[in-house]
Amino acid sequence: ETGVTQSPTHLIKTRGQQVTLRCSSQSGHNTVSWYQQALGQGPQFIFQYYREEENGRGNFPPRFSGLQFPNYSSELNVNALELDDSALYLCASSLNDRLANDEQFFGPGTRLTVL
Amino acid sequence: AQSVSQHNHHVILSEAASLELGCNYSYGGTVNLFWYVQYPGQHLQLLLKYFSGDPLVKGIKGFEAEFIKSKFSFNLRKPSVQWSDTAEYFCAVKWEYGNKLVFGAGTILRVKS
Repeated sequence: ETGVTQSPTHLIKTRGQQVTLRCSSQSGHNTVSWYQQALGQGPQFIFQYYREEENGRGNFPPRFSGLQFPNYSSELNVNALELDDSALYLCASSLNDRLANDEQFFGPGTRLTVL
Repeated sequence: AQSVSQHNHHVILSEAASLELGCNYSYGGTVNLFWYVQYPGQHLQLLLKYFSGDPLVKGIKGFEAEFIKSKFSFNLRKPSVQWSDTAEYFCAVKWEYGNKLVFGAGTILRVKS
């Protein structure tokens, strides 16, 4: 069973640029959630995708957007990067968000630095 | 608003000492409760979880947690820590009908050998 993978591992961008982060979910999982973890803080929910549809969104501006593909992999896109976007971006996959008892499995994260 | 608070940001213990990390969440209702651990250089891993039933939950590596509904708490415990338990620990809550995990700020545990 393959775990959750993310790419790239590290990324450096400048203010105003755009970035795309990628996530491959664990085999058999159909739900992907994205989280932002700033330094010294716990992960903050960005949004979730279930079977290619957005299924809930946290308190993040529209310049944070995402996609989920038919194979359940996912992308997180951030436009007009700001310095405060520097963080570890985590992807988590789960089997079925409709179940109350689903568990999320996390990937290693992408460290984004905005200069 | 849904929030999770962890009582200590940094904890330093000697090997064999007992550990208790506090976690409280903002309000009631049906919740799923989790403790995750992040070892240095590794990704978040699930230590234990509570969905229903016995409020005393046992996880991996000798950790356990107790859900006290009246106190909105889910404290993590270990009777005797080891140097290898040095890591950051996160409490997370998922409310019924919600689809997101709400995390606490984390507790960095350092165990001195």
